[in-house]
Amino acid sequence: EAGVTQFPSHSVIEKGQTVTLRCDPISGHDNLYWYRRVMGKEIKFLLHFVKESKQDESGMPNNRFLAERTGGTYSTLKVQPAELEDSGVYFCASSLGGHTEAFFGQGTRLTVV
Amino acid sequence: AQKVTQAQTEISVVEKEDVTLDCVYETRDTTYYLFWYKQPPSGELVFLIRRNSFDEQNEISGRYSWNFQKSTSSFNFTITASQVVDSAVYFCALSTETSYDKVIFGPGTSLSVIP
Repeated sequence: EAGVTQFPSHSVIEKGQTVTLRCDPISGHDNLYWYRRVMGKEIKFLLHFVKESKQDESGMPNNRFLAERTGGTYSTLKVQPAELEDSGVYFCASSLGGHTEAFFGQGTRLTVV
Repeated sequence: AQKVTQAQTEISVVEKEDVTLDCVYETRDTTYYLFWYKQPPSGELVFLIRRNSFDEQNEISGRYSWNFQKSTSSFNFTITASQVVDSAVYFCALSTETSYDKVIFGPGTSLSVIP
């Protein structure tokens, strides 16, 4: 069974550009989470989807970040316009729900120059 | 409130030494899970262990061992006979029944194993 997959694995963009990160959760997992680790700091929660609905988006840093999960399958996280401080590793995770284990993807390393 | 504390920001050891990474957690939930993840320089998160709150048995996996003590809210991780490949950032994490599986990470401990 495929795990959580994230695309791209690396992205280098210029300040002011737009980048879209994609996450494909494990098939059948209704819960999908985005996290990020920036500037060597701790890993911070961004938001949580249950199917296509946003259950908790308290960790989204500002309105330059937009997450979607149309159809309740894969999710995208768009950063527009990107700023230097957005550089870091963005992780996606999925779980079945009901307090089961969350499985993490390999992350997308975003570099804004 | 849920919180994970890893008091050691950076640790350096010489190869073959044993090293213990400390983790203290806070939660009012009675049902929760504790995790350790490794983030090597390549950036991905590598799952190491998951423990539920009802299982206080210590666990050993090769050179890795974990000591879970509810009385002190600690979940410490020991690497025996450390190797250079163990160099990474290690994160302790917590998820609780009321947090809908959201994982709360500690700040991480950066381990450097010197040859």
